[in-house]
Amino acid sequence: ETGVTQTPRHLVMGMTNKKSLKCEQHLGHNAMYWYKQSAKKPLELMFVYNFKEQTENNSVPSRFSPECPNSSHLFLHLHTLQPEDSALYLCASTGTPGPSSYNEQFFGPGTRLTVL
Amino acid sequence: AQKITQTQPGMFVQEKEAVTLDCTYDTSDPSYGLFWYKQPSSGEMIFLIYQGSYDQQNATEGRYSLNFQKARKSANLVISASQLGDSAMYFCAMREGRDSSYKLIFGSGTRLLVRP
Repeated sequence: ETGVTQTPRHLVMGMTNKKSLKCEQHLGHNAMYWYKQSAKKPLELMFVYNFKEQTENNSVPSRFSPECPNSSHLFLHLHTLQPEDSALYLCASTGTPGPSSYNEQFFGPGTRLTVL
Repeated sequence: AQKITQTQPGMFVQEKEAVTLDCTYDTSDPSYGLFWYKQPSSGEMIFLIYQGSYDQQNATEGRYSLNFQKARKSANLVISASQLGDSAMYFCAMREGRDSSYKLIFGSGTRLLVRP
């Protein structure tokens, strides 16, 4: 596979469930990101990891717990979520070397999360 | 703080015509980069075009061009010869930070609908 992949693509969970989102990049990048896209709101940056180290936590509630075991994999562990956490969760990666001279962020297809 | 503004929530364009999507930005950093992404209904963010603050010429990528007016702090996307497949959400974004784990600040997006 190439690019950035995310699983699952769709997830429905109750407020008491625990689930995890997975992101994998096959681009040799060093930086990985989690974004949240709610209806009618701009994309919100949640977390940034660079060479497996977290460099940014954008005041995200503790019910979202990221994990980056290596530069190619990024997880978002979810527990006791609220209905307002329903959104599209996008993963992205960037860094050098990259296939483009613009060093743009490459995005995965996202996980559409619904919290009941 | 950096800020991106897209004032057009929705736009219509006739197939084969050109359309301009507006983007204004605010930053005090003399070195910055501006990106445009396309998001089809499938959810994945697709990189379209990039403009660096020191680039002498406006960026072009196929049917996409960027009307970069630095003094006005605007970076409008021009799509020429619109196609039905151009119907999507379009986001303008600014790079914050200079290293490979930079952050992207997104605008609220413009939904473009191409009419046959």
